[in-house]
Amino acid sequence: QVQLQQSGPGLVKPSQTLSLTCAISGDSVSDKSGAWNWIRQSPSRGLEWLGRTYYRSKWYNDYALSVKSRITINPDTSKNQFSLQLNSVTPEDTAVYFCAKTQWGKNWFDPWGQGTLVTISS
Amino acid sequence: EIVLTQSPDFQSVTPKEKVTITCRASQNIGNNLHWYQQKPDQSPKVLIKYASQSFSGVPSRFSGSGSGTDFTLTINSLEAEDAAMYYCHQSNSLPWTFGQGTKVEI
Repeated sequence: QVQLQQSGPGLVKPSQTLSLTCAISGDSVSDKSGAWNWIRQSPSRGLEWLGRTYYRSKWYNDYALSVKSRITINPDTSKNQFSLQLNSVTPEDTAVYFCAKTQWGKNWFDPWGQGTLVTISS
Repeated sequence: EIVLTQSPDFQSVTPKEKVTITCRASQNIGNNLHWYQQKPDQSPKVLIKYASQSFSGVPSRFSGSGSGTDFTLTINSLEAEDAAMYYCHQSNSLPWTFGQGTKVEI
């Protein structure tokens, strides 16, 4: 049974970098059929897919256009986890952030991490 | 980007009532449409995959239908525990997108 456990700070100052980690158990971040996603949820934007990383003989990333210039999603094979970095944050980036898995050919999100409320405020 | 529009935004119902939520896509997405339930302070959970396929462990009162641009989630004989937000999600093309959600209140 795959489980995802998120960690990271709940408060980030404007213009700084938001960093979250999603630890994987019961699966491998290098699994060639999986993809590892970040999604956020806010009252103003609803559920918004931010991007994903996946391994198919080499590592690939896809990012939403809305954050493409500011986002990095990286795998960490030594710790079997993946991370989200969002640069130059503003109060509009305040949201609950989730990590979630999809599988190739089965592109629904399951499972999800527990969610992390990140507030952007000085 | 594919836009998903759900209706209604809010529905107040009584137990044992039938609930129908629709999701309309801005372009043809085949059957690449999934439904989720989210309760307060929880992560979303899959109810229906590929428009009409029940997800493992989901009660049989939840069903889905549709293809192309118009989709429906039906909850037969609603139970109190079904009070939640419901979202559709398309996986036809990146970026993956979600509907704005429908709140079902008992």
